[in-house]
Amino acid sequence: DGGITQSPKYLFRKEGQNVTLSCEQNLNHDAMYWYRQDPGQGLRLIYYSQIVNDFQKGDIAEGYSVSREKKESFPLTVTSAQKNPTAFYLCASLGLAGSGELFFGEGSRLTVL
Amino acid sequence: AQSVSQHNHHVILSEAASLELGCNYSYGGTVNLFWYVQYPGQHLQLLLKYFSGDPLVKGIKGFEAEFIKSKFSFNLRKPSVQWSDTAEYFCAVNPPSGTYKYIFGTGTRLKVLA
Repeated sequence: DGGITQSPKYLFRKEGQNVTLSCEQNLNHDAMYWYRQDPGQGLRLIYYSQIVNDFQKGDIAEGYSVSREKKESFPLTVTSAQKNPTAFYLCASLGLAGSGELFFGEGSRLTVL
Repeated sequence: AQSVSQHNHHVILSEAASLELGCNYSYGGTVNLFWYVQYPGQHLQLLLKYFSGDPLVKGIKGFEAEFIKSKFSFNLRKPSVQWSDTAEYFCAVNPPSGTYKYIFGTGTRLKVLA
């Protein structure tokens, strides 16, 4: 089935450790996104990538890093510099042919202990 | 600051009641507008979208939304809600052309009582 796969679904990390969240899509979409979802704050844009080897900061990029070496993959690293990393992270890709629709993965829940 | 506002954070309705969720945005120029829904335990999915043309758009599951340019609003409506509409609803804006940014509102949690 075509779609977006995020892994792991749940992740625990100790303070001071970096962690990388995986996002893979087989929809042949060019643009991909990372959002952070917190209760009462909706979805906030961390990073987005329009094409391979290119990405832009969103509204809350501090403490995060990304790479886009392959069209299918857009991993997000939560670094130790992120002050409040415990959250639900959502990856999305943008539909083709001007559909404007974002397709979302099921999310990764990161808890920092 | 440019933003998307959803003023109702929690809404509780009885089945068959009518629903209207507010969404306002602060971007000037031409925007694309969306409503997404997140059912419990499921991923976000598109309810409906507006790009241009008829300002009243219809989506899945009986939902509709009206774009009022003068009010910078894109409110979501449903004449008669069902228990299965219990979910969180997000308004989103794709600002003027040339940007791939999609900005979401804070969401509205809807609970429908059977």
